[in-house]
Amino acid sequence: QSVLTQPPSVSAAPGQKVTISCSGSSSNIGNNYVSWYQHLPGTAPKLLIFENNRRASGIPDRISGSKSGTSATLGITGLQTGDEADYYCGTWDSSLSAVVFGGGTKLTVL
Amino acid sequence: QVQLQESGPGLVKPSETLSLTCTVSGGSLSNLYWSWIRQPPGKGLEWIGYINYSGSTSYNPSLKSRVTISVDTSKNQFSLKLTSMTAADTAVYYCTRVGPYSCFTYWGQGTLVTVSS
Repeated sequence: QSVLTQPPSVSAAPGQKVTISCSGSSSNIGNNYVSWYQHLPGTAPKLLIFENNRRASGIPDRISGSKSGTSATLGITGLQTGDEADYYCGTWDSSLSAVVFGGGTKLTVL
Repeated sequence: QVQLQESGPGLVKPSETLSLTCTVSGGSLSNLYWSWIRQPPGKGLEWIGYINYSGSTSYNPSLKSRVTISVDTSKNQFSLKLTSMTAADTAVYYCTRVGPYSCFTYWGQGTLVTVSS
């Protein structure tokens, strides 16, 4: 059971937009910055978003992050087949004194 | 471009100690934090712990009693030791560089460690 809650899967057609939610609490998302990672099987995870909404180097502006209260959202527009991957949110949890992650969301581009 | 590469055994027997090393190239360990993260098969990511260049550490409370992370700045490496391994410790282990506010900016390719007799 992950500390942060993500939907197991989302899907959308090529060219469409998708959002992935990440829900937590005041001890983690509510008072700490959120980061997002893309993970293709067999490869190293890749940082997409840090500090809630800042894109990592080389990440296109069709990928965005936002945070409101104890939830965060990753948005991807102009979906491409290459976006099919698992996506994880992560943040520091002040109560646990640990970095925590969501369980991951599998994105399927239909 | 910073690159990280994990090395160590792919198979560990139950109750034994896992030792992994991460070699960093294209940059120095100095003034930065470095971390280990693992992913059990079919499951999500789990943070193991941090170390900085001077050797200051922070560990996941769930693993703290079994984990030691150390750094060797002369070799540009940092290492993970995890004692009393069980099947539940079977996972892909990643070494990472830590960025602002506990994000992970660079990752190694990961190494699969299987615990089995």
